[in-house]
Amino acid sequence: QQQVKQSPQSLIVQKGGISIINCAYENTAFDYFPWYQQFPGKGPALLIAIRPDVSEKKEGRFTISFNKSAKQFSLHIMDSQPGDSATYFCAASPPGNTGKLIFGQGTTLQVKP
Amino acid sequence: IAGITQAPTSQILAAGRRMTLRCTQDMRHNAMYWYRQDLGLGLRLIHYSNTAGTTGKGEVPDGYSVSRANTDDFPLTLASAVPSQTSVYFCASSPVVGGYGYTFGSGTRLTVV
Repeated sequence: QQQVKQSPQSLIVQKGGISIINCAYENTAFDYFPWYQQFPGKGPALLIAIRPDVSEKKEGRFTISFNKSAKQFSLHIMDSQPGDSATYFCAASPPGNTGKLIFGQGTTLQVKP
Repeated sequence: IAGITQAPTSQILAAGRRMTLRCTQDMRHNAMYWYRQDLGLGLRLIHYSNTAGTTGKGEVPDGYSVSRANTDDFPLTLASAVPSQTSVYFCASSPVVGGYGYTFGSGTRLTVV
């Protein structure tokens, strides 16, 4: 119930292509869904986030698509660049006064020049 | 530069030894967290603190303890290290409870031999 399942584990995309990473969850009470980007040797950094009352959110080349009925959400990276090569984590925030985030397993993205 | 400072950056530790990972933030965030990152498992919450003087257990708390004597510091202690605690440890903070606006430190890479 508290898990977030992320796929694929790794992804290779050509420069200029679209990168798509998917996440699925079980707990319908989750109320906040952020994506984090992590470069080697660094901590994760917030990339973009969405709430369940919105079906899509776009910030530059990054878009979150949210399907509440299917309990799925995905990250789309348009015009992927070599500088986007990183590990991406989806996450979900359970309700209650804890502030916890439940993270997916991570996707390592490589964008080839 | 405002943010989270973790120390040490890396450490090799003999099994059975005691170790404290340090975490300090200068953003006056109320909530702080400790996560461990393992390949294929994503980030898993060890312990958290919603405000100074309070702490709570996360998903994988066994073998770890924390304290929150003040707003800025949130040390993580391994009382008697075991090889399964080999991991990268990340401290994070957020201004409010609810999973929003996490800031992560750069991590501590711990190897228990």
